[in-house]
Amino acid sequence: GEDVEQSLFLSVREGDSSVINCTYTDSSSTYLYWYKQEPGAGLQLLTYIFSNMDMKQDQRLTVLLNKKDKHLSLRIADTQTGDSAIYFCSESSFGNEKLTFGTGTRLTIIP
Amino acid sequence: DADVTQTPRNRITKTGKRIMLECSQTKGHDRMYWYRQDPGLGLRLIYYSFDVKDINKGEISDGYSVSRQAQAKFSLSLESAIPNQTALYFCATSDRGPGQAYGYTFGSGTRLTVV
Repeated sequence: GEDVEQSLFLSVREGDSSVINCTYTDSSSTYLYWYKQEPGAGLQLLTYIFSNMDMKQDQRLTVLLNKKDKHLSLRIADTQTGDSAIYFCSESSFGNEKLTFGTGTRLTIIP
Repeated sequence: DADVTQTPRNRITKTGKRIMLECSQTKGHDRMYWYRQDPGLGLRLIYYSFDVKDINKGEISDGYSVSRQAQAKFSLSLESAIPNQTALYFCATSDRGPGQAYGYTFGSGTRLTVV
């Protein structure tokens, strides 16, 4: 079945850029997503990218997709304390009627 | 009010007891999902439903059952709870299939502890 892999932890100094990485196995993935989970809350969709794109930028967020290597990354510029959360990578594909989620990366901000 | 409401928020139950987790939504979405979250394992799909008459097993359905009472309501039951079902449970909804970009709307979760 499909598999989505992420590192479990990342620590970044406040004001620096954070880069969260994800790899996936499904070569037929059509959309890839990043979700954010704050403490005590459900997941919220941050951004998504269609598989025929290689980059998408939305304010402080930049998503990079390397379809050949099946690698997705989320860059958060000027990381703030409010960015502390768990970030989940997710993918969907034609014929697969559900999202597959990664293990989540816990982002910790160092003052 | 939240778009997707889960009750209860927290529950402690004993091994062998039957427990029901409830989910209701005001989004008007047809598709509803139940996931469990465990540290280091991410989210794993338990069951999903595309309409009231459509129920499908996910990757970890053993020990669980569901009921789609109405478009807006999707309940998850543990018939005989066991300690390794201790986890954070999320309900989610969506209105689109994989041919279009779509995001799930998640509830705030139910933290279940089985002792």
